[in-house]
Parts: sequence; structure tokens; C-alpha cells
Amino acid sequence: QSVLTQPPSASGTPGQRVTISCSGSTSNIGSNYVYWYQQLPGTAPQLLIYRSNQRPSGVPDRFSGSKSGTSASLAISGLRSEDEADYYCAGWDDSLSGWVFGGGTKLTVL
Amino acid sequence: QLQLQESGPGLVKPSETLSLTCTVSGGSFDTSGHYWGWIRQPPGKGLEWIGSIYYSGSTYYNPSLKSRVTMSVDTSKNQFSLKLSSVTAADTAVYYCAKQGAVVSHWFDYWGQGTLVTVSS
Repeated sequence: QSVLTQPPSASGTPGQRVTISCSGSTSNIGSNYVYWYQQLPGTAPQLLIYRSNQRPSGVPDRFSGSKSGTSASLAISGLRSEDEADYYCAGWDDSLSGWVFGGGTKLTVL
Repeated sequence: QLQLQESGPGLVKPSETLSLTCTVSGGSFDTSGHYWGWIRQPPGKGLEWIGSIYYSGSTYYNPSLKSRVTMSVDTSKNQFSLKLSSVTAADTAVYYCAKQGAVVSHWFDYWGQGTLVTVSS
């Protein structure tokens, strides 16, 4: 049981916009930044969004993050086949004094 | 370009201690001034934070693993290490090392490729 809750799966067709949600609590998302990682099959996770809505250099602007209260979302617009991957939200939890991750969302591009 | 590389035995017997080292190379970074973390991923499952260590040796551990985890850092070698004691099959996972910022709540921006550790007799 992950501290952060994500839907196990999401899907969309090429060109569509999809969103992935991440639900937490006041001790994590509610009081700290949210981070999103993309994990392509067989590879290490890669930072996709930092500080809730910032993109590292090299990440396409098709990817965007937002946060409201104790929930966060990752949006992917103009969906492409190469976006098929697992996506994880993460953040610092003040109560646990540690990092917590969502269970991951497997995105399928139909 | 900063690179992190995990190394250590790929097979550990139940009840023994898992030991991994992460070597940092490249770029303008060394182990000083940053937190360095370990994250694991059981086969087919999600990510779990194990702990983080500052270059000075200060540590934060996952409460669920705290009693079995020890981390250390060797700045002279640009390496940091993980020891997990009394392992069971549930500790079988890909173990990743990663760089953080100057604060433990800073994100993991560079990751190693990961190393699979299997716990089996």
C-alpha cells in the first residue's frame, strides 16, 4: 500500500491528452513539492517534473504538472507512442521524514 | 555528464547482509555537498525509498527498513554504500542509487542504471 495513490493504469490514443492523478495527504503533497518520474521498460526512472510544475531541460513541454491541496496531476498532451511507460509521483513526507512514492501508473498508447 | 554506477553481489542468501556500493563519476559533481539516495524496485512492482545520506554522513532511513539499513559515504573515493541486514526473499529487487540536492527533500535527479539483487539460497 503506497502512501501516494495513483491509478494503476491509463491509456490514450496518439495525439490525445491524458492525465494521471496522485493523491496524498497534508504531510506530503499538502505541504511539499511533488515530483514525477517516467520509467521506460527496462530502464531507470527519469525525472519528468520537479517542484510540482517545473520541467528539467530536455523534457518536452507536452508534459506538465500541477498541484492542488493534497493532490497532484501529470498531464501529457499530444500523446506519442514513445510515451508508453510507467509514471510515478513522489514527494517528501514530513511525518515520516522520508520520501514516499506512488504505486505507479502504466500508460498505454493505443 | 554525471554517472552513477551500482556494484555488488547479484545473489545474497537469506538472513545474510546485502552490500552495495555506488560510484559517482563525471560532470563537475563529487559526493560533497549533496545527499545521495538508495531506491529499490521489486520485480514488477513500484519504487520504494530506502534511505539517503549526506556527504557528511548524516542519514535518513525509511522507517520500515530502518532497523536493517546502514549507509555510509567515502568522499575520497566518490562512493556511497548500502548495507541491508537479515535479508529475505522480499528484499529481492533492482536497487538504484541516485543523486539529490543539498537538502534531503530535494529530488533525485541523476540515477544509476540499477542492479538486480536476488535473495535466494
